[in-house]
Amino acid sequence: DIQMTQSPSSVSASVGDRVSITCRASQGIGSWLAWYQEKPGKAPKLLIYAASTLQRGVPSRFSGSGSGTDFTLTINGLQPADFATYYCQQANSSPLTFGGGTKVE
Amino acid sequence: QVQLVQSEAEVKKPGASVKVSCTASGYIFTNYYIHWVRQAPGQGLEWMGWINPNTGNTIYAPSFQGRVTLTRDTSVNVAYMDLSSLRSDDTAVYFCARDLRAARHNYFDPWGQGTQVTVSS
Repeated sequence: DIQMTQSPSSVSASVGDRVSITCRASQGIGSWLAWYQEKPGKAPKLLIYAASTLQRGVPSRFSGSGSGTDFTLTINGLQPADFATYYCQQANSSPLTFGGGTKVE
Repeated sequence: QVQLVQSEAEVKKPGASVKVSCTASGYIFTNYYIHWVRQAPGQGLEWMGWINPNTGNTIYAPSFQGRVTLTRDTSVNVAYMDLSSLRSDDTAVYFCARDLRAARHNYFDPWGQGTQVTVSS
């Protein structure tokens, strides 16, 4: 199985901050990576797929980068709606696996 | 609009089985894979498997192999997740999610609202 390691597990930030979350895969996955946002009591929401492609309707302050084993989700100008937990997910091979999550608080 | 609506919460005893449904609307059901993901209380996301609604072909995560069965009914656009031999650590919210693209890309969008399954004696 491909292990996905996210860091940090939590980050304290303020509105307007730039926040970066990293995700490392235990083996190369090309660009087969997605980022999701999850809020309490809600289903996760796809933000970015193929490492850097913004899903339709997602604000442009979200961006993704990386390939191979190292990936980054960046939020430029944190908004109140962005306080949530973020997960990376590798889409390269089964079993599909998620990172442990990063809580932005 | 594309929507997945799941069945209501369930409470089961250890050793029992549970069947969760996921009703799709707003797109051609047989064109997109359906994935199942669960989230235990306070924990992260865990992928369980996918089903190709067109062929009925399935792939399961090894940790669920032998206990989970994914099926579908194309006449009513519904996918099902059946989990057997339930244990207390199967207590979780179970989500269905559609694949983003018609050719399976393993990205999940949209998601169902989630179904709480509680296993308790």
